[in-house]
Amino acid sequence: DAGVIQSPRHEVTEMGQEVTLRCKPISGHDYLFWYRQTMMRGLELLIYFNNNVPIDDSGMPEDRFSAKMPNASFSTLKIQPSEPRDSAVYFCASSLTSGSSEQYFGPGTRLTVT
Amino acid sequence: GENVEQHPSTLSVQEGDSAVIKCTYSDSASNYFPWYKQELGKRPQLIIDIRSNVGEKKDQRIAVTLNKTAKHFSLHITETQPEDSAVYFCAASIGGANNLFFGTGTRLTVIP
Repeated sequence: DAGVIQSPRHEVTEMGQEVTLRCKPISGHDYLFWYRQTMMRGLELLIYFNNNVPIDDSGMPEDRFSAKMPNASFSTLKIQPSEPRDSAVYFCASSLTSGSSEQYFGPGTRLTVT
Repeated sequence: GENVEQHPSTLSVQEGDSAVIKCTYSDSASNYFPWYKQELGKRPQLIIDIRSNVGEKKDQRIAVTLNKTAKHFSLHITETQPEDSAVYFCAASIGGANNLFFGTGTRLTVIP
């Protein structure tokens, strides 16, 4: 398996633009997590899904952020409109219920909003 | 929800010395405690984990200890090497749930 795949790896956009981050979890994994990492706030859980259903979105900063998981192999995190304070590395991770609970992280998307 | 605190935020050691990173958690229902290592520019990766029915676990130069009564757990790295330099995150999970609550990270630097 190729592991968790994220795209794009880098994104530079102007304030006010819409940004869409994409994630493909490891095949067979039934949990998917979106994290944001910054120097100031560390690793923050934004939202997670189980069997494509959002379970907890309490970490989503505000209404500008939304996430979807239309099927077991794809998820998106959208920011609209983007702001400079959204600049961060966004990680997607997946795990398997019946496994060790280990979360496998993707390579991350480095987002810069100017 | 769970609150995980991690100390120190930075740690420098001489190559060959030991390094210890400590974490505390707030929810007594937490029962799974993994440690992740994140090298510069890379993704976090699991290095060791422990469940609440075990007090200590070792894997070569790495060990984790858990004190359920005091609600704290620690990562011990012996005979440190330059390649151990990274940011280490502790985490806790409540009641077998798959979501993790992460600590704020410890930047470990091993000086050759």
